[in-house]
Amino acid sequence: DGGITQSPKYLFRKEGQNVTLSCEQNLNHDAMYWYRQDPGQGLRLIYYSQIVNDFQKGDIAEGYSVSREKKESFPLTVTSAQKNPTAFYLCASSIFSGRAEGPFYNEQFFGPGTRLTVL
Amino acid sequence: GQNIDQPTEMTATEGAIVQINCTYQTSGFNGLFWYQQHAGEAPTFLSYNVLDGLEEKGRFSSFLSRSKGYSYLLLKELQMKDSASYLCAPRPVGGSYIPTFGRGTSLIVHP
Repeated sequence: DGGITQSPKYLFRKEGQNVTLSCEQNLNHDAMYWYRQDPGQGLRLIYYSQIVNDFQKGDIAEGYSVSREKKESFPLTVTSAQKNPTAFYLCASSIFSGRAEGPFYNEQFFGPGTRLTVL
Repeated sequence: GQNIDQPTEMTATEGAIVQINCTYQTSGFNGLFWYQQHAGEAPTFLSYNVLDGLEEKGRFSSFLSRSKGYSYLLLKELQMKDSASYLCAPRPVGGSYIPTFGRGTSLIVHP
């Protein structure tokens, strides 16, 4: 079955440590995204990648880093520079980057999320 | 940017109909998504509207008025499993075309 996976589901880290969140998809999608979700707030875009070996900052990229060495994988590193890292992190992918074309809405497919708690 | 406004919380009774409104302001607009998100889970795609009017998909329908910057999601024959957060996400024209998500409306369905 095709899908998008994130691991682990729950992650605990000490303050000052970097931590990397995994995101893998086997949907053959070109575009991948990382969002952060806090209580009472919408999804906020951290980084996105439209194609392998390329990525762009989203609205709240400070304190985060990403890589896109393979089409299937888009890991997110939460660095010690991120002032308030405790949150629910969601990874998503879409067929391509851009507007809907033809029969494709180009909607995003989301992974199950990783809940990061920094102690 | 895009300002998105939707109610924070709504309650309804099982079997009833509920309408969740969303207004948005955007400098350029391509279409609007609705997603459903159960607590602690991933959002899942419900609908995408590009043209004005109502699109029906089973118990769920979505309406769009581009000139008014307004959309709603209509849920009929409510079931307990419909208790979830509903996210409105307009997609801008140009640039990355990445939708911006509203804060979501938490719907609570009572027996």
